[in-house]
Amino acid sequence: QSVLTQPPSVSAAPGQRVTISCSGSSSNIGNNYISWYQQFPGRAPRLVIYDNDKRPSGIPDRFSGSKSGTSGTLAITGLQTGDEADYYCGTWDGGLREGVFGGGTKLTVL
Amino acid sequence: EVQLVESGGGLVQPGESLTLSCTASGFTFSKFWIHWVRQVPGKGLVWVSRVNRDGGGIRYAASVEGRFTISRDNAGNTVYLQMSSLRADDTAVYYCVRDLVEKDAFDIWGQGTVVTVSA
Repeated sequence: QSVLTQPPSVSAAPGQRVTISCSGSSSNIGNNYISWYQQFPGRAPRLVIYDNDKRPSGIPDRFSGSKSGTSGTLAITGLQTGDEADYYCGTWDGGLREGVFGGGTKLTVL
Repeated sequence: EVQLVESGGGLVQPGESLTLSCTASGFTFSKFWIHWVRQVPGKGLVWVSRVNRDGGGIRYAASVEGRFTISRDNAGNTVYLQMSSLRADDTAVYYCVRDLVEKDAFDIWGQGTVVTVSA
């Protein structure tokens, strides 16, 4: 069982907007920055959001992140079939003194 | 090209040891923290360990504490993960990752190296 909680799956139609939630506690999300990763089957993950809401170079502005209290959200607008992937949230847990991830969310673009 | 390349994975028996290496190129290695993250195929990401820029600030996941040792050689642009007393549940793909801003933001990932622990 993961320290951070994500929905197992989400789906939406091409062109629509989808959000993926990541729930934690004061020892992790509440006091640290969230990162989000995209992973295609058989590939290494790719960073899409860091510091809660910053995009690395090369990530389109269709991807955005936010944080409120002990939860974070990844939003993807203008969905494309190429966005179908697994998405993970991650942060540091000061209580456990470990890095922690969510269990991952499979995004299906219908 | 900025990249991390892992090596050293393989098939070992329970209780044996293995050392993974991660060699960096294309960036100033000594300026970044490096972590190891593992993943069982079809399962989620699991953080394993980290080392800061000068070889300190070391932390381990509880599941590997006392069995794994992380270290780095900035002159050789390499991070190591020494794994001992390996168990079947250590079987995974092990990724070496660069921490962009020292806040667990992993912007560069290696291709991964497979560790299989089986009798």
